[in-house]
Amino acid sequence: GENVEQHPSTLSVQEGDSAVIKCTYSDSASNYFPWYKQELGKRPQLIIDIRSNVGEKKDQRIAVTLNKTAKHFSLHITETQPEDSAVYFCAASKDQAGTALIFGKGTTLSVSS
Amino acid sequence: DAGVTQSPTHLIKTRGQQVTLRCSPISGHKSVSWYQQVLGQGPQFIFQYYEKEERGRGNFPDRFSARQFPNYSSELNVNALLLGDSALYLCASSFSGSLLNEQFFGPGTRLTVL
Repeated sequence: GENVEQHPSTLSVQEGDSAVIKCTYSDSASNYFPWYKQELGKRPQLIIDIRSNVGEKKDQRIAVTLNKTAKHFSLHITETQPEDSAVYFCAASKDQAGTALIFGKGTTLSVSS
Repeated sequence: DAGVTQSPTHLIKTRGQQVTLRCSPISGHKSVSWYQQVLGQGPQFIFQYYEKEERGRGNFPDRFSARQFPNYSSELNVNALLLGDSALYLCASSFSGSLLNEQFFGPGTRLTVL
């Protein structure tokens, strides 16, 4: 089955810096890679996703890149702000109905002002 | 437009008891998944239901069971509770049919087993 590894487990940056979180997956059949942000005591919120037919996707200060050959994908946050502080989870699955998301263990991002 | 809803919000049970958790998906979503999130970990897949049929099951014991109703709401049942079952139980719904597996999570049910 699919296995997702996520690094680093914690990340501390200064406001305005960039943050990068990396994930690797094992199942070459996976083709859908979402990223979730979870603030303390709240539900995971989908912030961006990418499918294997593209190599990069951007949404304002957030971008995700995918390297299918190496089976890894990364989340990039630019111009970080204190409100970006949260736990970020990557996940992988096949992009079809009825398929489970397999999550990484999460990265705690702390942005200090 | 209501998102995914779950009930109850919090639950305290003792070892050996049984618990039922409930989930209502986003209107129009026909797929519901259940995840267990232990503190400090990512969500772990328990079950997925699509069009009222079980489509996937994670590595959880038979004490865990679920079902989906004709209105696409779902229940997760856990029998013979253990201390290790204490966790946040998340329900997620997703659109059916086309190649879309975007899953939207509910607020979760915090289960504490004493």
